[in-house]
Amino acid sequence: AIQMTQSPSSLSASVGDRVTITCRASQGIRNDLGWYQQKPGKAPKLLIYAASSLQSGVPSRFSGSGSGTDFTLTISSLQPEDFATYYCLQDYNSWTFGQGTKVEIK
Amino acid sequence: QVQLVQSGAEVKKPGASVKVSCKASGYTFTGYYMHWVRQAPGQGLEWMGWINPNSGGTNYAQKFQGRVTMTRDTSISTAYMELSRLRSDDTAVYYCARRCQWELNGYYYYGMDVWGQGTTVTVSS
Repeated sequence: AIQMTQSPSSLSASVGDRVTITCRASQGIRNDLGWYQQKPGKAPKLLIYAASSLQSGVPSRFSGSGSGTDFTLTISSLQPEDFATYYCLQDYNSWTFGQGTKVEIK
Repeated sequence: QVQLVQSGAEVKKPGASVKVSCKASGYTFTGYYMHWVRQAPGQGLEWMGWINPNSGGTNYAQKFQGRVTMTRDTSISTAYMELSRLRSDDTAVYYCARRCQWELNGYYYYGMDVWGQGTTVTVSS
């Protein structure tokens, strides 16, 4: 089974900061990767699909990149509503989530 | 609007089974696969499997094979996830999520674009 490893597991940042989260696959997954945002008590929300395509309605400060085994989610200027936990999800072979990255207020 | 509405919270004893429903509205139910994902308290997301509402075909995560059954009733646009032989570590919020797809450069990409509100299942003696 493909393992997805996210880093860091948590980070503290301020409003306006640029934030980068990484996700590494245990084997190549082409660009079959999405990013999701989850706020406490809520269902996850799709942000990015195909590693770098922005889901409709998602602000352009979110971007994704990568292919093969290494992927990144970048928030260009962190907003108050972006404090949440972020997950990557691969669907190249079955479906596997990363363990999550919690973005907290500094 | 497109939405998925799940059944209410459940409390079960170890060894019992639970069946969670997910009613779809606002789109053609048979046109989109349905995933099930769970989240234990304070933990991350865990994919359990999917069902093709059109054919009834399923694909389960290896971890749940033999314990999970996903079914659907197309007449009422509802998907179901039944988990048997419950243990305390099955205590979690269970979500259904619609599989969406996009075609880019001749290749199909997938994601989960619409989620249910979650159903809390508590397993306790």
